[in-house]
Amino acid sequence: KAGVTQTPRYLIKTRGQQVTLSCSPISGHRSVSWYQQTPGQGLQFLFEYFSETQRNKGNFPGRFSGRQFSNSRSEMNVSTLELGDSALYLCASSFWAGANTEAFFGQGTRLTVV
Amino acid sequence: AQSVTQLDSHVSVSEGTPVLLRCNYSSSYSPSLFWYVQHPNKGLQLLLKYTSAATLVKGINGFEAEFKKSETSFHLTKPSAHMSDAAEYFCVVSESEYGNKLVFGAGTILRVKS
Repeated sequence: KAGVTQTPRYLIKTRGQQVTLSCSPISGHRSVSWYQQTPGQGLQFLFEYFSETQRNKGNFPGRFSGRQFSNSRSEMNVSTLELGDSALYLCASSFWAGANTEAFFGQGTRLTVV
Repeated sequence: AQSVTQLDSHVSVSEGTPVLLRCNYSSSYSPSLFWYVQHPNKGLQLLLKYTSAATLVKGINGFEAEFKKSETSFHLTKPSAHMSDAAEYFCVVSESEYGNKLVFGAGTILRVKS
């Protein structure tokens, strides 16, 4: 079956703009999580959605937001982009929201802010 | 809060020799632990997971890990390295009992020499 699909794969934006990234989870998966990967900070949790509700949130400013639709697809939005937002943004989907549930990752969206 | 420490940022082995990637964890309750691998410009792939069923966990591609509660360790091993194993490996703990918030170690880059 199809894996986690993230679009677009690459994005270049200008400081101050906003951006929306999309994630389509594996069919049947209801939990979607977002992570930011940078060389300096590594992989950091942004937020998690389950059945359209945000269940967990990481330590990121309010410029980072997300939502999940009834078909489990998720979007994350970053407003007022800063140079430091340049990163690989990874989406993960899981069948359910439990601690030992394995997460399947997409290939990510590479965001470059100039 | 849960955390993981990967003790080596880089490991270099010769093809055909054993691989050992070290990970210590900190958790206030029975942890769910994972090892993920990331090849260049790719997403994360799950190698194996520990969920308290057995202390020795076998994963894909010949990898295995042993959970040692007394040492708070979850080291990843493989008897014989292959060139295709060259990648970055992440030790991961699930922080929330009720969600999919993953906490990643800093990563270990494995180099395999021919």
